[in-house]
Amino acid sequence: AQSVAQPEDQVNVAEGNPLTVKCTYSVSGNPYLFWYVQYPNRGLQFLLKYITGDNLVKGSYGFEAEFNKSQTSFHLKKPSALVSVSALYFCAVSPLGNTPLVFGKGTRLSVIA
Amino acid sequence: GAVVSQHPSWVICKSGTSVKIECRSLDFQATTMFWYRQFPKQSLMLMATSNEGSKATYEQGVEKDKFLINHASLTLSTLTVTSAHPEDSSFYICSAFRTGANGYTFGSGTRLTVV
Repeated sequence: AQSVAQPEDQVNVAEGNPLTVKCTYSVSGNPYLFWYVQYPNRGLQFLLKYITGDNLVKGSYGFEAEFNKSQTSFHLKKPSALVSVSALYFCAVSPLGNTPLVFGKGTRLSVIA
Repeated sequence: GAVVSQHPSWVICKSGTSVKIECRSLDFQATTMFWYRQFPKQSLMLMATSNEGSKATYEQGVEKDKFLINHASLTLSTLTVTSAHPEDSSFYICSAFRTGANGYTFGSGTRLTVV
């Protein structure tokens, strides 16, 4: 069965510092990988996805993610954190690209001014 | 870009009543829509997959008679919580799928409180 692990419940980072939100997955084959952000009482906003090609994917709001097949990881990164990106972040996987997304438990990112 | 409208944003209802939540894809046709439930500080749990014109496929443990899903057109899916009870209080989110682009587009969610 496919699964997604986000090992950190909470990530705290000072404004202006680089941030990383970790994600590992367990899926057979070549999965489609996604990152979403959720603000309080809101739906999910798409940040970026990886299907194939360059392992470094660039997305919205200056976020990027690095796909590492050998480590089955897809960590989310941002070179310089802003207070405005404090939110809940979800990593998700779809084995075939059109099947329901399987989500990690989420990581709460707090950027401190 | 793809937009999914979900209504209502929040609803309070009395125990025993039914509540309908609508999910509309505004600028694209969605052959498949997914319904998720999210408990406080937890992840999204898939409830069911609905395909236009056919019966929804429910995940194990989800009561199909309590959570009625209808996908009557390519742009509208509805989730009806029947005979709601306080334990049904949750945040419900829909997602519409289309091939290409980002694939999955989420509604803004519905906060249901049953009193």
